[in-house]
Amino acid sequence: QVQLQESGPGVVKPSETLSLTCSVSGASISGHYYNWIRQPPGKGLEWLGYMYYSGTTNRESTNYNPSLKGRLTMSVDTSKRQISLTLTSVTAADTAFYYCAEGGYRYGPWGQGTLVSVSS
Amino acid sequence: DIQMTQSPSSLSASVGDSVTITCQASQYISNNLNWYQQRGGKAPKLLIYDVSNLEPGVPSRFSGRGSGTVFTLTISSLQPEDIATYYCQQYDNVLRRFGPGTSVEI
Repeated sequence: QVQLQESGPGVVKPSETLSLTCSVSGASISGHYYNWIRQPPGKGLEWLGYMYYSGTTNRESTNYNPSLKGRLTMSVDTSKRQISLTLTSVTAADTAFYYCAEGGYRYGPWGQGTLVSVSS
Repeated sequence: DIQMTQSPSSLSASVGDSVTITCQASQYISNNLNWYQQRGGKAPKLLIYDVSNLEPGVPSRFSGRGSGTVFTLTISSLQPEDIATYYCQQYDNVLRRFGPGTSVEI
């Protein structure tokens, strides 16, 4: 059973870059879709995008939510078994719990989430 | 862009009651609809996929129905551990989107 663990800085200053990692255990990085989903405190869920890595072709495939307007990048580090999220030019609106979740169209399991606050 | 709505936004019921949550898509999404449960402070958990298929381990009191644009999640006999917020999610479109959630209280 795949297990996911998010990690991140906790607090990021406005206009700076947010970087998070999702560590994967119990399953291969290759051949699985890994998603980032966020949830502002007390609000609903927003799908941010997915990363798919093929070990056969050594190629990455991504699909991002257009609402992030080019600020979002996802990548994979196969040696560390990690999926990374980078979000640039953050504002208070990016304050949220950030979850990673496995799945191409249905999401599970999920990590426990990490709270990121954007504050000066 | 497919929008999802849910009704009601919250509900209160008694243990043993049958409760139904409705999810509506702004356009046809066939059977491309999942349901999640989020208990307080925890990550969401997949309950039902492809409208009506229960994830392993999900109690049979949960059921899903619908097709096209209108879908329902029913809890046939509400239990205290069902206190949670429930979200629908469509995957018909490459832009995955969740409904706004329905909070279930006892």
